[in-house]
Amino acid sequence: DTGVSQDPRHKITKRGQNVTFRCDPISEHNRLYWYRQTLGQGPEFLTYFQNEAQLEKSRLLSDRFSAERPKGSFSTLEIQRTEQGDSAMYLCASSSGDSSYNEQFFGPGTRLTVL
Amino acid sequence: AQSVTQLDSHVSVSEGTPVLLRCNYSSSYSPSLFWYVQHPNKGLQLLLKYTSAATLVKGINGFEAEFKKSETSFHLTKPSAHMSDAAEYFCVVTLRSNYQLIWGAGTKLIIKP
Repeated sequence: DTGVSQDPRHKITKRGQNVTFRCDPISEHNRLYWYRQTLGQGPEFLTYFQNEAQLEKSRLLSDRFSAERPKGSFSTLEIQRTEQGDSAMYLCASSSGDSSYNEQFFGPGTRLTVL
Repeated sequence: AQSVTQLDSHVSVSEGTPVLLRCNYSSSYSPSLFWYVQHPNKGLQLLLKYTSAATLVKGINGFEAEFKKSETSFHLTKPSAHMSDAAEYFCVVTLRSNYQLIWGAGTKLIIKP
């Protein structure tokens, strides 16, 4: 078990460009979550998958944000037409559906800087 | 509705002295409660969790927390601070079997030599 991994760890882009981040959850976990964290704040929930189904996406920050988990394993988060306000740490977490306590395990995050 | 309040944004203690990070929660139902720690430039790590089995919960690195229903509190303590404890600590509440975690704003723990 290598834990939750995210790629890339850092991304610098120019305003208006599209970016895509990848998350690989713990292999036996069927639930996957995306969060955004800005400096000095706790994580802000964005979206949630159970297997390949996206069960909650109303918290995605705008229609420029989208996420997929096509085969119920890894997931991608895409931001289109990036803005400077999108600069933040994007966190992925996973959990086991067998756990009734929803203990989530986090990846190291992708730090996005929009110039 | 659920909510979490971390009463201190910063806590500063000397190395070797006790640590107390305060957390109060609000929940209509029996919650699960967690403490996560985030070291600079690192991911969030689960310190400990309360799941109703015992009110005093022991976690990693010598931390523990006590669930007090009457006070709706879940304070984090450690008898003796170490320099490596310097980090941001988050108190989190969730309903069991609910995907959504409700996060406190975080407490930055500063350790003075």
